[in-house]
Amino acid sequence: EVQLVQSGAEVKKPGESLKISCKGSGYSFTSYWIGWVRQMPGKGLEWMGIIYPGDSDTRYSPSFQGQVTISADKSISTAYLQWSSLKASDTAMYYCARHLEGGYCSSTSCYYNWFDPWGQGTLVTVSS
Amino acid sequence: SSELTQDPAVSVALGQTVRITCQGDSLRSYYASWYQQKPGQAPVLVIYGKNNRPSGIPDRFSGSSSGNTASLTITGAQAEDEADYYCNSRDSSGNHHVFGTGTKVTVL
Repeated sequence: EVQLVQSGAEVKKPGESLKISCKGSGYSFTSYWIGWVRQMPGKGLEWMGIIYPGDSDTRYSPSFQGQVTISADKSISTAYLQWSSLKASDTAMYYCARHLEGGYCSSTSCYYNWFDPWGQGTLVTVSS
Repeated sequence: SSELTQDPAVSVALGQTVRITCQGDSLRSYYASWYQQKPGQAPVLVIYGKNNRPSGIPDRFSGSSSGNTASLTITGAQAEDEADYYCNSRDSSGNHHVFGTGTKVTVL
């Protein structure tokens, strides 16, 4: 069974650092991109960025570039999302999800793109 | 443009049909995927590609696309279909992904 298991809930103070994880199993971890998604309380899904664990190629949404760091350790099939200095506005649920693609593909992307499966989510609460 | 726009909310009578739309320039180049999210749960993929359903997703869910608009149709909506639905696609540059604004579906 393909599965992504995320680390547990975190409660932090503003200014603290944090690294949350997403461990893949049941598939070749280095062969698929892993994306990160933010969901603030009562709000919609926001795509943050994506990493290819095979070579650590990483793309960030312009909205999140410079605000977070995405990384991966392929030796333990785990992707990470980290903050160097948390803000109260980082309070949210964070999901990881495996990216798949298909259909006609150019050298850079394919017509069909989807995320499956998703991790169970990690709730990050930042409060003084 | 990197935006995908959805109607905030729609309602459907039990057993009837509802269509959820997603509009954006990038949909002229890329197909949308669709996700169902129930309260307190992670999103679940319901439609990908032209009109493909993952294993376990009922066949009352279907997808279509025309021009800059993608649609998710629930034919014969059930009480358990009440949820938030999000579309997703690459953006127009192809380098990033973007989610739609989300649609809350209420089954009456």
